[in-house]
Amino acid sequence: QQQVKQSPQSLIVQKGGISIINCAYENTAFDYFPWYQQFPGKGPALLIAIRPDVSEKKEGRFTISFNKSAKQFSLHIMDSQPGDSATYFCAATLGNFNKFYFGSGTKLNVKP
Amino acid sequence: GAVVSQHPSRVICKSGTSVKIECRSLDFQATTMFWYRQFPKKSLMLMATSNEGSKATYEQGVEKDKFLINHASLTLSTLTVTSAHPEDSSFYICSAPALGGGELFFGEGSRLTVL
Repeated sequence: QQQVKQSPQSLIVQKGGISIINCAYENTAFDYFPWYQQFPGKGPALLIAIRPDVSEKKEGRFTISFNKSAKQFSLHIMDSQPGDSATYFCAATLGNFNKFYFGSGTKLNVKP
Repeated sequence: GAVVSQHPSRVICKSGTSVKIECRSLDFQATTMFWYRQFPKKSLMLMATSNEGSKATYEQGVEKDKFLINHASLTLSTLTVTSAHPEDSSFYICSAPALGGGELFFGEGSRLTVL
């Protein structure tokens, strides 16, 4: 059973637009929800993360929206730039960080 | 911030040989490290959890005799792909959690190509 479902698989956005990637999770015990950014041939890097006690977290142009009752969270990239073109993974884990469950990834292409 | 280093970044080997990939936590100690495998345009698949001072914990379907993991110290874990075959060609990524939790740091990945 896939613990974290991510959509869309790919996304094309014009420069300056808003990129939105959605994730849904199954296990209500998850208590840490990070988003990772991965460029080709590189390892993932933490972009932003949220815990379920808040509904939104913003860092610069990146915002996570969290809906605990719906078991969904999303990443919003405001004023998207060509440099944001990468693959984005959502993830969820329990407090002990013993195992991270990753979404299937979204390849974002921001056109200039 | 904390850094996890992987070596080599790329390796090409002949079928039947063994390849070792190192994962080091550069400025923090990691009693646990995770090894992932990533196929092109796919997500990260957890292969095993490397535990310092004890045996690694393998995920279901991962051959422990083929993918040998050794957590030699609090800053080093190694993955050895034994008797490599072309189907083992993949991108292998290690990661280590920050002490006390809060973040999972990833290495740069190692691209293995088996001819």
